[in-house]
Amino acid sequence: GAGVSQTPSNKVTEKGKYVELRCDPISGHTALYWYRQSLGQGPEFLIYFQGTGAADDSGLPNDRFFAVRPEGSVSTLKIQRTERGDSAVYLCASSITSDNEQFFGPGTRLTVL
Amino acid sequence: AQSVTQLGSHVSVSEGALVLLRCNYSSSVPPYLFWYVQYPNQGLQLLLKYTTGATLVKGINGFEAEFKKSETSFHLTKPSAHMSDAAEYFCAVSAPNAGNMLTFGGGTRLMVKP
Repeated sequence: GAGVSQTPSNKVTEKGKYVELRCDPISGHTALYWYRQSLGQGPEFLIYFQGTGAADDSGLPNDRFFAVRPEGSVSTLKIQRTERGDSAVYLCASSITSDNEQFFGPGTRLTVL
Repeated sequence: AQSVTQLGSHVSVSEGALVLLRCNYSSSVPPYLFWYVQYPNQGLQLLLKYTTGATLVKGINGFEAEFKKSETSFHLTKPSAHMSDAAEYFCAVSAPNAGNMLTFGGGTRLMVKP
């Protein structure tokens, strides 16, 4: 497809479990961003990749959150020991380079019971 | 550090009336400014952006915004609301040449009455 895709679209898990959220950026986009949108709020920045490396992970809330982008394309956001407060929509965006428009995916809605 | 304040979490207008959604920002560097729209169960879509140059920016669907540095504002307007404009609108700011991560406001839900 032409746009950013994210899988799964919905994920329900139990407190304490591990989850992985996947983002497929637009082909050729070198910059990739993860954001988290809690109910009734604007998205909040989590982490930014330029190529394979995490250029800025200052938005990750704690060490239970980790993200990778091993080949500079697909990225996976990993959350360990999930907590109810992690429930949110996780958004991924990509851009050709970091100073260009970011295109957003539809998000993954994570619910932690 | 950057921040964005959107005044009014909910705005209601009649169809055909002027739409005005307010956005004020703070930034330690000259910012890039954006407005995004989010329809239910859809991803964020860019309406318009200001980077440099002309301070009045025109976007899609008849929306425009004016960058006013002295007021640190970037309010979004549309002369005549359509029912299809009902959505959540987010103002955002980024710092160019520093990764361009977006800092969003809390959003404004626009409701359009027939």
